[in-house]
Amino acid sequence: GESVGLHLPTLSVQEGDNSIINCAYSNSASDYFIWYKQESGKGPQFIIDIRSNMDKRQGQRVTVLLNKTVKHLSLQIAATQPGDSAVYFCAENTGGFKTIFGAGTRLFVKA
Amino acid sequence: DAGVTQSPTHLIKTRGQQVTLRCSPKSGHDTVSWYQQALGQGPQFIFQYYEEEERQRGNFPDRFSGHQFPNYSSELNVNALLLGDSALYLCASSFGDGELFFGEGSRLTVL
Repeated sequence: GESVGLHLPTLSVQEGDNSIINCAYSNSASDYFIWYKQESGKGPQFIIDIRSNMDKRQGQRVTVLLNKTVKHLSLQIAATQPGDSAVYFCAENTGGFKTIFGAGTRLFVKA
Repeated sequence: DAGVTQSPTHLIKTRGQQVTLRCSPKSGHDTVSWYQQALGQGPQFIFQYYEEEERQRGNFPDRFSGHQFPNYSSELNVNALLLGDSALYLCASSFGDGELFFGEGSRLTVL
């Protein structure tokens, strides 16, 4: 089936700590994964992506890890800041034209 | 450079009515996708338009229809509105199958 789910609906971290948001997917045919950030009142914003032929990709303060064996990906945010507070979605694409989103994890950053 | 713009931002309809939502893609983009996001959930793919044709469709009834115009802008129409159609409707544009850029959405409330 097609589903992308998240392990935790909410995550609370202290400012300056690292955040890890996890995601499980079920479609082994998915070959492209994306993390989005959605702030209140706004549309989702692209953060970082990874293709299935990779297991790690780094951006500015963010790292995505992909474990195809257990169909799991994670988003790591280094030195979490108050501006990182948002809902984070993992999404997958199987090479077609639709992107399938998970339910989201809300990240709270405590000052 | 304007990003993806959607109108209206908010609207209220009653059951059985019809609604039209509009989207102007980011400059240079030729593909428009529509998503429905219920409160507290991830966006669900409705359909995608490319070259004025519906290219792929998600699991939505044919009460949901759309159109893409020669200037790449798009409309989403929903007929015979149900209470369950209340949601944030997101438009995303891309150049081909590239990165999705989302608008801020149209919040539809059905009473």
